[in-house]
Amino acid sequence: GQQLNQSPQSMFIQEGEDVSMNCTSSSIFNTWLWYKQDPGEGPVLLIALYKAGELTSNGRLTAQFGITRKDSFLNISASIPSDVGIYFCAGRNGATNKLIFGTGTLLAVQP
Amino acid sequence: DVKVTQSSRYLVKRTGEKVFLECVQDMDHENMFWYRQDPGLGLRLIYFSYDVKMKEKGDIPEGYSVSREKKERFSLILESASTNQTSMYLCASTLFNQPQHFGDGTRLSIL
Repeated sequence: GQQLNQSPQSMFIQEGEDVSMNCTSSSIFNTWLWYKQDPGEGPVLLIALYKAGELTSNGRLTAQFGITRKDSFLNISASIPSDVGIYFCAGRNGATNKLIFGTGTLLAVQP
Repeated sequence: DVKVTQSSRYLVKRTGEKVFLECVQDMDHENMFWYRQDPGLGLRLIYFSYDVKMKEKGDIPEGYSVSREKKERFSLILESASTNQTSMYLCASTLFNQPQHFGDGTRLSIL
């Protein structure tokens, strides 16, 4: 099945640094979602985006729905150790309720 | 809050066994999904269901079947488990066009 191109695959940063990750697709999406997965847990929804150009924040997290509808990015400001985990983007195309997931970005934060 | 509960966090079975993974959601969601998650491959959709007694194949249905006898419960069945089905299995549910909510996952090992 189709997968999104998510980058980077992994990031190793110092506490306090800002983080940016993105997803691109060859298809147009009408919904972009960002999830975080802690070790041994299921993914938890962070931010949902429904309109091209939409910029949404959730605490230190900010995500944007690209104007072309083929990309999205997630920024984390002033990272802290509990930000550690795998971040997934997911997109939905048209009327289907199926999500297409990125391969994930592993984030490690050094205290 | 939506609660998606998977019956087992860890499961060890033998090759050839019939394996049942259970998932229950408490929000009256129509749509339920089963994914498997493997390193470097992200989340891949196995089966999904839009309603009771309805099921649709996802991207990797081979070797699996599902059952949805009640709206709140979606079961994944490995008819004859094989070692290549060792994986993390994630269940999700949603109302149509809303973000999916995930359970904590079942880490299944087939020996």
